[in-house]
Formats: sequence, C-alpha cells, structure tokens
Amino acid sequence: SQQGEEDPQALSIQEGENATMNCSYKTSINNLQWYRQNSGRGLVHLILIRSNEREKHSGRLRVTLDTSKKSSSLLITASRAADTASYFCATDKVGGSQGNLIFGKGTKLSVKP
Amino acid sequence: DAGITQSPRHKVTETGTPVTLRCHQTENHRYMYWYRQDPGHGLRLIHYSYGVKDTDKGEVSDGYSVSRSKTEDFLLTLESATSSQTSVYFCAISDGVLAGELFFGEGSRLTVL
Repeated sequence: SQQGEEDPQALSIQEGENATMNCSYKTSINNLQWYRQNSGRGLVHLILIRSNEREKHSGRLRVTLDTSKKSSSLLITASRAADTASYFCATDKVGGSQGNLIFGKGTKLSVKP
Repeated sequence: DAGITQSPRHKVTETGTPVTLRCHQTENHRYMYWYRQDPGHGLRLIHYSYGVKDTDKGEVSDGYSVSRSKTEDFLLTLESATSSQTSVYFCAISDGVLAGELFFGEGSRLTVL
C-alpha cells in the first residue's frame, strides 16, 4: 500500500518563483527522502531528513518534517527551468527492511522560462 | 553517477514468453532492488537482495523471480509475461550505510503485447 502521498499532483510555476511540494505518510518512520526524476530517466536522491530532525537545507532545497502530523514539505527556492521534473518522497518506515523505501506517486513540477 | 547499468533498456515481447532483465553495478554495494513504475502508482518494490543469494519479496512480487549469484548482478525474471507486467522497471542499489539512500539505474521499459 502507498505510504507517501505527494500534494499537489502537478505544479506549474514561472522561473524564479518558489515551489512547494508536500508529502504525507501513514506509519512511523526512520527517515524521509526526496528524489527527483527527469522525464525518461532514473530517480536521483536529493535530500534525506531523519525522524529526529525538523528542517534541513541543501543548496536551494529546504525540507521540513513534522512527525506529529506525519508530513513533510520540499521547498525549491528561485526555481529554474532545469528544475522541471517529477519529485517523489520516500519513507523508510520503522521495522522495515534496509532500504525498503516506500515511494509516493510524485508531484510533477513544470517551471516555465 | 553511480555505476548501474540496466539491460535491455527497451523490450517488446508477447504474452506468455519469459523475460529477464539484468542490473549490473560497479559500486560493490550490498543491497540491490527492483522496482516497477506505473502511472498512478508511483514506484513499487518487487524484490530486493541483501547479499549474494540472499533475496526477499517486496510489495508486488507475484509473477516475478530474482537471482543474485554475484555481488554485481541482480536479475529479474518474468517466467511468463502478462500484459499487466508492462511497465518501466528500475534497479536501485544501496550500500546500507547512508540510511537507505538509493542510487537508481536508467530504467528498462518493457511492453508485453
């Protein structure tokens, strides 16, 4: 069954704007990860946040985690056309097998020049 | 980029035929995974391996088998392909150290007619 659910399913913005994507999950987790997938390509790891962390930054990416609400958000600041891709959250649930991540269905981001 | 090669990248086959997809890694990572990606479902885990000859089932393992006789190779076999197995298949690897961060291959697109 699906663990993570991203919201919105699709997002269209102008270059330079910020993009925010949300992820909700169902069970207790060890960590939550975000991945990017360009059209026709494999997924690329962006950032990992552990269950005891509330916020993490990496370049133009900011991830928050609220374990009480079982939700996370990914913020991409000053978006670029090259950020156009699908973004997936993935959870590593407590008691799960090593690396047995459960992925959401993704948010498709379109950044218009 | 992580050294992961999937073959074939594209395959069209007929219902009832056997199909084998190969994943080859040059990273010497312990863990290897097969996921399938379908519209509306995101990525779902089929099987994974935590060492040579050590494998286990994922969420959608019915109709699939795997083998890992060497650290670098993880094979996914569809004994008798069905149209419901038309999908994009992704191999992923993990060293088990980075809390489950996965590195993905470029995918194998399989069409079962």
